[in-house]
Amino acid sequence: DTGVSQNPRHKITKRGQNVTFRCDPISEHNRLYWYRQTLGQGPEFLTYFQNEAQLEKSRLLSDRFSAERPKGSFSTLEIQRTEQGDSAMYLCASSLVGGVNEKLFFGSGTQLSVL
Amino acid sequence: GQQLNQSPQSMFIQEGEDVSMNCTSSSIFNTWLWYKQDPGEGPVLLIALYKAGELTSNGRLTAQFGITRKDSFLNISASIPSDVGIYFCAGPTNFNKFYFGSGTKLNVKP
Repeated sequence: DTGVSQNPRHKITKRGQNVTFRCDPISEHNRLYWYRQTLGQGPEFLTYFQNEAQLEKSRLLSDRFSAERPKGSFSTLEIQRTEQGDSAMYLCASSLVGGVNEKLFFGSGTQLSVL
Repeated sequence: GQQLNQSPQSMFIQEGEDVSMNCTSSSIFNTWLWYKQDPGEGPVLLIALYKAGELTSNGRLTAQFGITRKDSFLNISASIPSDVGIYFCAGPTNFNKFYFGSGTKLNVKP
């Protein structure tokens, strides 16, 4: 069990550029969450998957954001035409549901800075 | 949307003191999770609670699932400098989407 892995740890980009983040969940975890966190706030829900199905996407998420989990394993989060307001820590978490009490385990996050 | 209120927002305590913080929700939860987050890192799970009235310990940490199912408490005994960080509570909606509180920032003076 290597834990949840996120890459890159840090990303600096210019406004208007596209960025993509990757999350590798704990193996055999069937649920994967994406959260966004700004300074002084708790993690804010963005979207989550059960296996490869995207179950919900936050209404706060603009159309510039898209997430995939093509084979029910790793996931990617893409932000198109980045804006300065997108600067935040993007956190991925995974869990195992079905017959067990759910616990979310987080990765170390990707810190995005949009200049 | 879901409201999770954590208090206090921040605490300044002396090493060795006990700490208590709480979290309240606007609706009933069937799970409470408590996390600690260090700067630049992801939250680390401390304690998970699944039954009303449940009291669970993890070393010097103790958390309780409130009887009303709308609140939870986290206590830290005999605080040490490495307890410094931000503590978050989290709970799920009926669709198992977890919401987080805004955190309690703990500062410990040696």
